[in-house]
Amino acid sequence: GAGVSQSPSNKVTEKGKDVELRCDPISGHTALYWYRQSLGQGLEFLIYFQGNSAPDKSGLPSDRFSAERTGGSVSTLTIQRTQQEDSAVYLCASSLEGVGTGELFFGEGSRLTVL
Amino acid sequence: AQSVTQLDSQVPVFEEAPVELRCNYSSSVSVYLFWYVQYPNQGLQLLLKYLSGSTLVESINGFEAEFNKSQTSFHLRKPSVHISDTAEYFCAVSGTSYGKLTFGQGTILTVHP
Repeated sequence: GAGVSQSPSNKVTEKGKDVELRCDPISGHTALYWYRQSLGQGLEFLIYFQGNSAPDKSGLPSDRFSAERTGGSVSTLTIQRTQQEDSAVYLCASSLEGVGTGELFFGEGSRLTVL
Repeated sequence: AQSVTQLDSQVPVFEEAPVELRCNYSSSVSVYLFWYVQYPNQGLQLLLKYLSGSTLVESINGFEAEFNKSQTSFHLRKPSVHISDTAEYFCAVSGTSYGKLTFGQGTILTVHP
């Protein structure tokens, strides 16, 4: 597509429910990233996928968070048993081959509100 | 590990005035440095980057930043701002060959007429 597409753009859920956030990267981009943007915390790295390599999951805040990337394209970030502190904007980005190209292309984010 | 400090959370300026948004970083390895901009209701966009070579880098809309290794800084400057420059600006650093960026807290630049 023309850009990184994320859905839903807004999600309101109740504490304890599971949520899934979807990311469609730019066609042909091999690298995909998830970041979280929250008030007072800035932008936090969550996870990175590159081709068929094992993902870098070092930024996931707890085992309630997981992500997968199917077929080297679409990615889903899943948050189980949501907590109020999970409320944030979840940003997906893609790039051709990582920072060597110097540019990550970001989607507009999925705003998650946990009541 | 890397960290990034943006010293100003908000910077208000008048149109056509100069502006400097400050960014300092810490890293134990060689770094790649970036400024990203987020306009109201839009996603993050790359403004400029330092990967190697000349320490002064420029964007297409008049911003520039200089990599200063001794001061571990990458301040963003523009000699004359426009209303349309109103946005939040994020400094970021990566010490890896891929995009595991560490971001600063962001600086909200507000340009007043």
